Amino acid sequence: DAKTTQPNSMESNEEEPVHLPCNHSTISGTDYIHWYRQLPSQGPEYVIHGLTSNVNNRMASLAIAEDRKSSTLILHRATLRDAAVYYCILRDYGGTASKLTFGTGTRLQVTL
Amino acid sequence: NAGVTQTPKFRILKIGQSMTLQCAQDMNHNYMYWYRQDPGMGLKLIYYSVGAGITDKGEVPNGYNVSRSTTEDFPLRLELAAPSQTSVYFCASRRDRAAYGYTFGSGTRLTVV
Repeated sequence: DAKTTQPNSMESNEEEPVHLPCNHSTISGTDYIHWYRQLPSQGPEYVIHGLTSNVNNRMASLAIAEDRKSSTLILHRATLRDAAVYYCILRDYGGTASKLTFGTGTRLQVTL
Repeated sequence: NAGVTQTPKFRILKIGQSMTLQCAQDMNHNYMYWYRQDPGMGLKLIYYSVGAGITDKGEVPNGYNVSRSTTEDFPLRLELAAPSQTSVYFCASRRDRAAYGYTFGSGTRLTVV
């Protein structure tokens, strides 16, 4: 299974942009890159996903390297409510249905 | 539209007891999943289902059973609770198209003593 590597933790000041990196050097051509986040005491929440091109939505932007071996989740203006664990996940096609395999993610701290 | 609903939110079990964690979704999603999350760790897949009557094992299925008699419900059964099953359990569902995101419930915090 293709794996991802993320820093354990990052810090940001409120109102500043945050770039959360993810390495996935063994990604296959059909793997989608998914990002989820988990706020304290809540279930994971879908943030964004992409295959090859950069993607934007109301929550964040996803920048995917041209060789697809790394990606970056961009929060344009961090707020205190963005403090969470962010997971970078490659969709696993094993078994009868594709599944999400979670690592330990990056814990983002946002300070005033 | 309630999304994914999990009950109960909290439960304390004694070793050897049994219980069923309930999960229901009202989005007509065919795919449903059970994960567990130990403190400070990521989520691990227990079981999943691609539709009514079809289930499959995930990464950590031992000690658990599931059934999927309807599209809406995907209960998780613990037959003989052990302290190692102390965890937070999350249920999730998703639409059929592989590119769509998953919707997670708010979790059940289970303690086995």
